[in-house]
Amino acid sequence: GQNIDQPTEMTATEGAIVQINCTYQTSGFNGLFWYQQHAGEAPTFLSYNVLDGLEEKGRFSSFLSRSKGYSYLLLKELQMKDSASYLCAVRENQAGTALIFGKGTTLSVSS
Amino acid sequence: NAGVTQTPKFQVLKTGQSMTLQCAQDMNHEYMSWYRQDPGMGLRLIHYSVGAGITDQGEVPNGYNVSRSTTEDFPLRLLSAAPSQTSVYFCASSPGNPSTEAFFGQGTRLTVV
Repeated sequence: GQNIDQPTEMTATEGAIVQINCTYQTSGFNGLFWYQQHAGEAPTFLSYNVLDGLEEKGRFSSFLSRSKGYSYLLLKELQMKDSASYLCAVRENQAGTALIFGKGTTLSVSS
Repeated sequence: NAGVTQTPKFQVLKTGQSMTLQCAQDMNHEYMSWYRQDPGMGLRLIHYSVGAGITDQGEVPNGYNVSRSTTEDFPLRLLSAAPSQTSVYFCASSPGNPSTEAFFGQGTRLTVV
């Protein structure tokens, strides 16, 4: 069956580094996405991994290990505006928007 | 740039009523999907489409119908609303390139009483 697990909540302080883990078991795999969602808003794209390894984009990095069914999102130099939910999603097939999401990790950044 | 437009933004329905949530995109994207988001449940896929005239079921399709007569539009129909369908509904679209992310509309907050 399909299962995507990520921690429910995390807390961190401004300027720190936080790693949000995601493990997945899906019937197919055609890419893993990370989205950010602020309360009351739509999800916005952060990163995409389809091959093993690390993808870096500014303060955000994402890692994928397909053999372990594991990904993480790394946020550096945390800012208050990074307080949001972070959603891990797997695309199982070629249909670009047919994503299976985890339940999301709510990150609270304090000063 | 309009992107993905959902209407209405808010809606209250009585149990048993029917309605259509509208979704339109102006980016000529092939792929479109509908999700619902409930507290503690994350986003769940309802239906998706890989092109005009082609639709398929997602994780939670019961109680919903879709059609895709044009590339731009992907309406979601609730045939007989139930309180369990109270949720925030998001429409998303993406181009055919598999490495490109999905773009989400701003959501429709639906309450069924």
